[in-house]
Amino acid sequence: GQQVMQIPQYQHVQEGEDFTTYCNSSTTLSNIQWYKQRPGGHPVFLIQLVKSGEVKKQKRLTFQFGEAKKNSSLHITATQTTDVGTYFCAGRRGGSNYKLTFGKGTLLTVNP
Amino acid sequence: EAGVAQSPRYKIIEKRQSVAFWCNPISGHATLYWYQQILGQGPKLLIQFQNNGVVDDSQLPKDRFSAERLKGVDSTLKIQPAKLEDSAVYLCASSPGLAGGTSSYEQYFGPGTRLTVT
Repeated sequence: GQQVMQIPQYQHVQEGEDFTTYCNSSTTLSNIQWYKQRPGGHPVFLIQLVKSGEVKKQKRLTFQFGEAKKNSSLHITATQTTDVGTYFCAGRRGGSNYKLTFGKGTLLTVNP
Repeated sequence: EAGVAQSPRYKIIEKRQSVAFWCNPISGHATLYWYQQILGQGPKLLIQFQNNGVVDDSQLPKDRFSAERLKGVDSTLKIQPAKLEDSAVYLCASSPGLAGGTSSYEQYFGPGTRLTVT
């Protein structure tokens, strides 16, 4: 079945440093979504990428979708303590059921 | 707009007992999902409904888990009998799907039910 892998599993940074998490799928994706889960909270949708090579920005967050539509990345510039949480990518293959397969996530901690 | 509601928020049961979780999705959302999230892992899809029909239940342990979505709105997930390895957070999510002519598959998650099986 489809597998979605994320690295790193954990990342600890000093406030102000940059952070990147990478997502790789074993199959070509129709689209990919990113979610953030705060400690003790539930996943919250951040963004969806659909087009090959797509790049989207949300303030300090930059999301990229690979040309082959099998990988993606999330980059945070100048991290803040409010960025703490687990970042998940979730990929969807083509088809009508829109099933998402989540990666294991990257836990980001920020030292103030 | 009210979010996805789930109850109970916490449940502690002994193994071999049964338990049920309830979910009320965002009004008008056609697609409803139940996920199992074990500590330190990503959500794992158990079952997906489109209106009141099952779209995907390939990862649902059907010998002990069951789910239904009556009238295409609320949903319940049941475990009977529970095992120790069922300890996890059970998340319900909904998405607009094709409701209202739009196709939006971003998922909105409820707060989850934390299940502990002892």
